[in-house]
Amino acid sequence: GAVVSQHPSWVICKSGTSVKIECRSLDFQATTMFWYRQFPKQSLMLMATSNEGSKATYEQGVEKDKFLINHASLTLSTLTVTSAHPEDSSFYICSALPTSSYEQYFGPGTRLTVT
Amino acid sequence: GDSVTQMEGPVTLSEEACLTINCTYTATGYPSLFWYVQYPGEGLQLLLKATKADDKGSNKGFEATYRKETTSFHLEKGSVQVSDSAVYFCALSDLDSNYQLIWGAGTKLIIKP
Repeated sequence: GAVVSQHPSWVICKSGTSVKIECRSLDFQATTMFWYRQFPKQSLMLMATSNEGSKATYEQGVEKDKFLINHASLTLSTLTVTSAHPEDSSFYICSALPTSSYEQYFGPGTRLTVT
Repeated sequence: GDSVTQMEGPVTLSEEACLTINCTYTATGYPSLFWYVQYPGEGLQLLLKATKADDKGSNKGFEATYRKETTSFHLEKGSVQVSDSAVYFCALSDLDSNYQLIWGAGTKLIIKP
């Protein structure tokens, strides 16, 4: 149980295009989902907290117009990287917090490469 | 605010050696503590956890004990294997942080045959 999927697992896109990454909790409902970014050989950086039915809360320094987050249901959150540039290339990881739980479950991550 | 400090890596050991990766934390409340592992090219996996003082989390031969008096959650294994080579992250979460995970910097572990 408590499986989180991400799609796609990797994506290559051209500079200026937009990319959508999906995060799904497969066997539980998650009121809250988190989006992280991980640079090579570094720890995870929390980008935003996504709550179902409300606007995401972005961490300081994260551009909300650049990284659009939509948490439309209790099992799905999406991150859209708009007008992607090479510096947006990174490993993006989501996690889901089951309702009435303190433990996050992580997706396998999405490798984004912008050329 | 809450924070997690773990020993810097990389840590390089020979197979069958003993492992300790230190982790200490600061928190205003009563956090839950976690160790996550990230194998090369893979996503994060929860390795073990402890939710209250003196709890011992264990999994795959790894152990960590929640020590409130020393605010520590050191990761230990008696005999490491090459397959344990990975990056290990210590983390905490509590109600005060709305259950956001507060991460340590990660420790890369390299096991040589």
